[in-house]
Amino acid sequence: SQKIEQNSEALNIQEGKTATLTCNYTNYSPAYLQWYRQDPGRGPVFLLLIRENEKEKRKERLKVTFDTTLKQSLFHITASQPADSATYLCAPGSARQLTFGSGTQLTVLP
Amino acid sequence: ETGVTQSPTHLIKTRGQQVTLRCSSQSGHNTVSWYQQALGQGPQFIFQYYREEENGRGNFPPRFSGLQFPNYSSELNVNALELDDSALYLCASSQWGLAGGESYEQYFGPGTRLTVT
Repeated sequence: SQKIEQNSEALNIQEGKTATLTCNYTNYSPAYLQWYRQDPGRGPVFLLLIRENEKEKRKERLKVTFDTTLKQSLFHITASQPADSATYLCAPGSARQLTFGSGTQLTVLP
Repeated sequence: ETGVTQSPTHLIKTRGQQVTLRCSSQSGHNTVSWYQQALGQGPQFIFQYYREEENGRGNFPPRFSGLQFPNYSSELNVNALELDDSALYLCASSQWGLAGGESYEQYFGPGTRLTVT
């Protein structure tokens, strides 16, 4: 069955540093992969989508890579800020349906 | 542009009862997906509706059922509630068939927190 693994449940970094979150998947060949942010008690918010034929995507301070050979996506937040503290979910998808990982809780320390 | 709304916000039910959760899609969206999110876990796909038809289902028993209406709003019904059904239920809308390409991103509502006692 499909399995999505996100690195360590919690990640603490210092303000201004780059946060790198990892998403690995097995038994799956997604056509695209999405990253979402979720704050406590709220629904996930879409951040970025990268397709299987794309290696890298950027949006402001966010960067996503997608390696279909390694079956891995990396999500980077540069110049991190305390406001970036949240849970980040990766979601490989195909046929318009998503499978979510359990998320990585990021805390940016001032 | 109106975002995705869900009702009620919170709900407490007793084991064995039935519950109906409601969702209004974002304006212009024709597809709605429902997810169950247990504490500390990612959302788990329940099913998706497109043009009032079920268009995919996750690993959930038949006592989880849904409807999509002509205005693209949706309901999630759960019969014979079990304690393990306690979770945050999320609705997400998206748009299929955009001219010039499809948009796969989903827009989530705030969720309904269901507690089964």
